[in-house]
Amino acid sequence: SAVISQKPSRDICQRGTSLTIQCQVDSQVTMMFWYRQQPGQSLTLIATANQGSEATYESGFVIDKFPISRPNLTFSTLTVSNMSPEDSSIYLCSVGGSGSSWTQYFGPGTRLLVL
Amino acid sequence: GENVEQHPSTLSVQEGDSAVIKCTYSDSASNYFPWYKQELGKGPQLIIDIRSNVGEKKDQRIAVTLNKTAKHFSLHITETQPEDSAVYFCAAKVGNEKLTFGTGTRLTIIP
Repeated sequence: SAVISQKPSRDICQRGTSLTIQCQVDSQVTMMFWYRQQPGQSLTLIATANQGSEATYESGFVIDKFPISRPNLTFSTLTVSNMSPEDSSIYLCSVGGSGSSWTQYFGPGTRLLVL
Repeated sequence: GENVEQHPSTLSVQEGDSAVIKCTYSDSASNYFPWYKQELGKGPQLIIDIRSNVGEKKDQRIAVTLNKTAKHFSLHITETQPEDSAVYFCAAKVGNEKLTFGTGTRLTIIP
């Protein structure tokens, strides 16, 4: 299994500001995913980030609001831009789910509170 | 696209009893069904998964069963312990496509 770390683990931000969340994996992976989990809710996929290509965003999520970088096979960042209180959520990085192994692993999450 | 329904939303069982959580899916092409456990303040942890070519899979006190005809799959936890208290999510997908998650079940084990 992959070991995934995220930074920061939590943050409190003011509305209108931006926060960049980092995801580091201990091995090279093809596919990385970013999810949002609103309080008490299930997981919603924001986008899929493959190295060397533009991220693919799900319906309801746009690049201007959630720009993603994927500079190499072990690292990705998600930025939450121009934040509002509605962006208060847990943001989760996930890897795997491709090739012959469909297993997907999740990081510990970043807990974001926007005031 | 795929739709996954999960029941119940909350479940309380006495320590030592069994717990069962059920999920139904809509896409008959789905062939991979993982279950995740999420403890408070942590990310989801994969606890067991099953592919569509298998009807049942066990790992110690945890088992998953799959009924492809009825398009439902279930998580069974036997001899429950306090550390089993968490939120459990089922999910389904077709091959390398994206995972679709259920709405979650909050399991509470009563000592």
